[in-house]
Amino acid sequence: AQSVTQLGSHVSVSEGALVLLRCNYSSSVPPYLFWYVQYPNQGLQLLLKYTTGATLVKGINGFEAEFKKSETSFHLTKPSAHMSDAAEYFCAVSAHTGGFKTIFGAGTRLFVKA
Amino acid sequence: DADVTQTPRNRITKTGKRIMLECSQTKGHDRMYWYRQDPGLGLRLIYYSFDVKDINKGEISDGYSVSRQAQAKFSLSLESAIPNQTALYFCATSDSGKGMNTEAFFGQGTRLTVV
Repeated sequence: AQSVTQLGSHVSVSEGALVLLRCNYSSSVPPYLFWYVQYPNQGLQLLLKYTTGATLVKGINGFEAEFKKSETSFHLTKPSAHMSDAAEYFCAVSAHTGGFKTIFGAGTRLFVKA
Repeated sequence: DADVTQTPRNRITKTGKRIMLECSQTKGHDRMYWYRQDPGLGLRLIYYSFDVKDINKGEISDGYSVSRQAQAKFSLSLESAIPNQTALYFCATSDSGKGMNTEAFFGQGTRLTVV
């Protein structure tokens, strides 16, 4: 079975500062990994995904994430935070042993201070 | 129009009542899912359907049932609502034809309150 742990339910950064949201996963087989963003009163939308190949994945809005198999991590970063980045972010994993169900982490709410 | 549409968007119901949440999609995807979102718990899978004849229980199916009326429609029912089913419910779709690594597309959610 797969599982996802997001470290920190809340992260606060200043505008222009580095954003780092942490995600660790557990999977007995090679996983597919996703980051989704949820803005207030909206559904989730995909930021980026890792399937195979290049371990550094670039997504929308300047976000990127790096798959590190040895650390079972898929942390999300953005060099410079913008006020519009304030939202909740979810890491997710799926794999064929789970029937390709997508399992989500508990979420990290990002606050951006002016 | 949204690709994944949930109705209603908000609902308040009484304990013991039966309620149905509906989801329809225009994306042509074969797979559909129901999740519930609770603060601090993320999204938990209730039921999922990989095609019209395939229904599967997720992590937290007790107290819920589903119906896949057509490829585009997937409804979630609470047979006898209870207060701890108060949550934000999301329907999602994905396309197995694009490979097993495809992402899910979400509706805007239904906020359900059971009083």
